[in-house]
Amino acid sequence: QKEVEQDPGPLSVPEGAIVSLNCTYSNSAFQYFMWYRQYSRKGPELLMYTYSSGNKEDGRFTAQVDKSSKYISLFIRDSQPSDSATYLCAMSAGGTYKYIFGTGTRLKVLA
Amino acid sequence: DTAVSQTPKYLVTQMGNDKSIKCEQNLGHDTMYWYKQDSKKFLKIMFSYNNKELIINETVPNRFSPKSPDKAHLNLHINSLELGDSAVYFCASSLFGQDTEAFFGQGTRLTVV
Repeated sequence: QKEVEQDPGPLSVPEGAIVSLNCTYSNSAFQYFMWYRQYSRKGPELLMYTYSSGNKEDGRFTAQVDKSSKYISLFIRDSQPSDSATYLCAMSAGGTYKYIFGTGTRLKVLA
Repeated sequence: DTAVSQTPKYLVTQMGNDKSIKCEQNLGHDTMYWYKQDSKKFLKIMFSYNNKELIINETVPNRFSPKSPDKAHLNLHINSLELGDSAVYFCASSLFGQDTEAFFGQGTRLTVV
């Protein structure tokens, strides 16, 4: 079993929809949670960074962390065709000097 | 102004050759990383350096040798390249360890033929 599980998709939604992307994890030591967006043939671009449990909002993006369920989510409101990309969750535990990534979810927003 | 930059962007080479990838960050970060992304987009840690010191070597074959001349640079040298080394290699940096978010370069697409 992988430490971080993420549905690979693809997930296809119409423009304007609310998108929900999720990851589950097994290591209860994870404290730092990140979401990255990766366009084809580009590097991962940081979208959201959250420490411990709770919600964080930035524009159309909301990140949620539920440590009791070992579950994190990224919500995208009013999705646009330009949001079409692969979304990667990543997490880390204190003192480890590494980030563990999910396999990524491919999102397609249809105009 | 690029924060984490890698060169080259593309690298095509024959089996058995030796090649290097260079990485530089201008963010003033202490920690740098090499990640490998396979054909299924899975990103896996290879090495972590903190202030020029190797912290993590994640069971990478010793044909891969990272070098950090200073904390703004982390290079990756690969000896005797094999077909299975074909992947995209990403350099990343963070302010201090894993407690802060990591920023990634644009990647080096290595193809071994």
